[in-house]
Amino acid sequence: DTGVSQDPRHKITKRGQNVTFRCDPISEHNRLYWYRQTLGQGPEFLTYFQNEAQLEKSRLLSDRFSAERPKGSFSTLEIQRTEQGDSAMYLCASSLAWQGGTEAFFGQGTRLTVV
Amino acid sequence: DAKTTQPNSMESNEEEPVHLPCNHSTISGTDYIHWYRQLPSQGPEYVIHGLTSNVNNRMASLAIAEDRKSSTLILHRATLRDAAVYYCILRGSNNAGNMLTFGGGTRLMVKP
Repeated sequence: DTGVSQDPRHKITKRGQNVTFRCDPISEHNRLYWYRQTLGQGPEFLTYFQNEAQLEKSRLLSDRFSAERPKGSFSTLEIQRTEQGDSAMYLCASSLAWQGGTEAFFGQGTRLTVV
Repeated sequence: DAKTTQPNSMESNEEEPVHLPCNHSTISGTDYIHWYRQLPSQGPEYVIHGLTSNVNNRMASLAIAEDRKSSTLILHRATLRDAAVYYCILRGSNNAGNMLTFGGGTRLMVKP
């Protein structure tokens, strides 16, 4: 297993278009997290899954955003009607469910630019 | 979630030790102290974590104060590849999702 992979690495889209990102976590990890990071800031939590269940969503996740994790494997994050403020790095992370000090593994991210 | 406070930036010379401080005065008894770093254009990378005792691994050492209200990440010999933003994060069981809550981190610059 080569770690968490994200696709695409870069996406340029026109305002108003829909975009979808994919995350493939480490295979045995049942937790999957999505984060967003803007320039000069630390990553901000968006949502997380335990297996296929989406258990928490940040207030940052507007109704234009939707995330899925069918069958508890890969996950997709879709942004509808993109806005320039959506331009950011979208990061995916996976881990085992909490067992005291469990580390999380991050992907390289998808950089979205909305023009 | 309990917050952490870190200096915005630090400088180090190559091959010298680096001590990166973190204050977490509101830490709870079940919070683990995690450190991650983020190299330019990459996702964050796990460095080390601890609960009460000092910890060592191949990347770094973590020194935790006796009252757990502060900790220090120690890079024994900084290299140019250690230039990154270092995040000190508390990860605890009172947070159902155990997600990592990132602050601004410390930008470490390493001079040759």
